[in-house]
Amino acid sequence: DIVMTQSPDSLSVSLGERATINCKSSQSVLYSSNNKNYLAWYQQKPGQPPKLLIYWASTRESGVPDRFSGSGSGTDFTLTISSLQAEDVAVYYCQQYYSTPPITFGPGTKVDVK
Amino acid sequence: EVQLLESGGGLVQPGGSLRLSCAASGFTFTTYAMNWVRQAPGKGLEWVSGISGSGASTYYADSVKGRFTISRDNSKNTLYLQMNSLITEDTALYYCAKGRQEWEVNNCFDPWGQGTLVTVSS
Repeated sequence: DIVMTQSPDSLSVSLGERATINCKSSQSVLYSSNNKNYLAWYQQKPGQPPKLLIYWASTRESGVPDRFSGSGSGTDFTLTISSLQAEDVAVYYCQQYYSTPPITFGPGTKVDVK
Repeated sequence: EVQLLESGGGLVQPGGSLRLSCAASGFTFTTYAMNWVRQAPGKGLEWVSGISGSGASTYYADSVKGRFTISRDNSKNTLYLQMNSLITEDTALYYCAKGRQEWEVNNCFDPWGQGTLVTVSS
């Protein structure tokens, strides 16, 4: 199974400042035949289901604000919130869908306002 | 608008059974793989099971293999999860989630339903 890790576990960021979350997979999720990274990011606000933000490691889902961006390849990935807004307080999860079963998630990173 | 509505959760004793349903609307159900993902109280996300659009292929996490059965009725646009031999560790909010891409099993999930709560306790 591909194990996903995230860092930090939590972070506090001032409004308008940058938030950076890291995700690492235990093996590459880059599929060589199509050069795509099978890595997604989700946002989960309290009492709500997860919401897809980013897929293919760097493609923003329709309707997601452009302050959210994803980067990385192979085994190391980053989700960046360029200017934190109050509504971005949430837990963020990375997910690999390269190897199924099982699809695996990272443990989550909690983001709040400093 | 895509909608996923789970039902069937509740309180069940260890060793008992429960069947979850997920009614889907707003998209061509047969062309998308579907999944169940659970979240124990205060914990992270755990993928439980997935099924191809036709229903011919099914996939399970090791933690539920042999106890849970995923199925779908494409004539009713409904996904199911039959859960047998339930244990306390199965207590969680169970989400139904649609694969983002048509036809693909290796998929991220978009959208997710609101979830149905399963509590296994004596």
